[in-house]
Amino acid sequence: DTEVTQTPKHLVMGMTNKKSLKCEQHMGHRAMYWYKQKAKKPPELMFVYSYEKLSINESVPSRFSPECPNSSLLNLHLHALQPEDSALYLCASLSDANTIYFGEGSWLTVV
Amino acid sequence: ELKVEQNPLFLSMQEGKNYTIYCNYSTTSDRLYWYRQDPGKSLESLFVLLSNGAVKQEGRLMASLDTKARLSTLHITAAVHDLSATYFCAVDGGATNKLIFGTGTLLAVQP
Repeated sequence: DTEVTQTPKHLVMGMTNKKSLKCEQHMGHRAMYWYKQKAKKPPELMFVYSYEKLSINESVPSRFSPECPNSSLLNLHLHALQPEDSALYLCASLSDANTIYFGEGSWLTVV
Repeated sequence: ELKVEQNPLFLSMQEGKNYTIYCNYSTTSDRLYWYRQDPGKSLESLFVLLSNGAVKQEGRLMASLDTKARLSTLHITAAVHDLSATYFCAVDGGATNKLIFGTGTLLAVQP
């Protein structure tokens, strides 16, 4: 099973809302990632968790708050977002065999 | 700072022709990935290249890695329409598991 599951698939939120994106994998992977992808652009790294500890924060605004409750789960908490934050948010995980698997993504629209 | 560049950015090919996509990166790395992305979809893992001189093939696609030149290539043989997609290379920056994507190559295979 190489599945990385992301929920929800689609999310529409207002600029004053608080919502969360969730990512789950049951492969015991040692690192998990959040990426943001705008249309016709490459994925842009946001955060990396290695062994459940935040190891990389690519100067992401504080309105995005990651959380890794355990080795299988990764959340991205969203608060006071702007319309320009609308994008595809991708979660990925790194296996011991150095393969990185991506989830299907969460399409976020901020209105 | 790790930078990853691909060329060309856009490639229009005729079916049956061969072509190569190039991926250059700026700092030492021993892990390079190739992904495919269809419109509105997530990333599909194609190849993981883990050492200098690594070559992998799957169907009409073949990827290689030259860590000394900091160059990877994705060669397409006898292109077919089904290969039309955006192709990304991604480079792992080392112990931090920082995976940075190239600019992407939009491949359009014309009948």
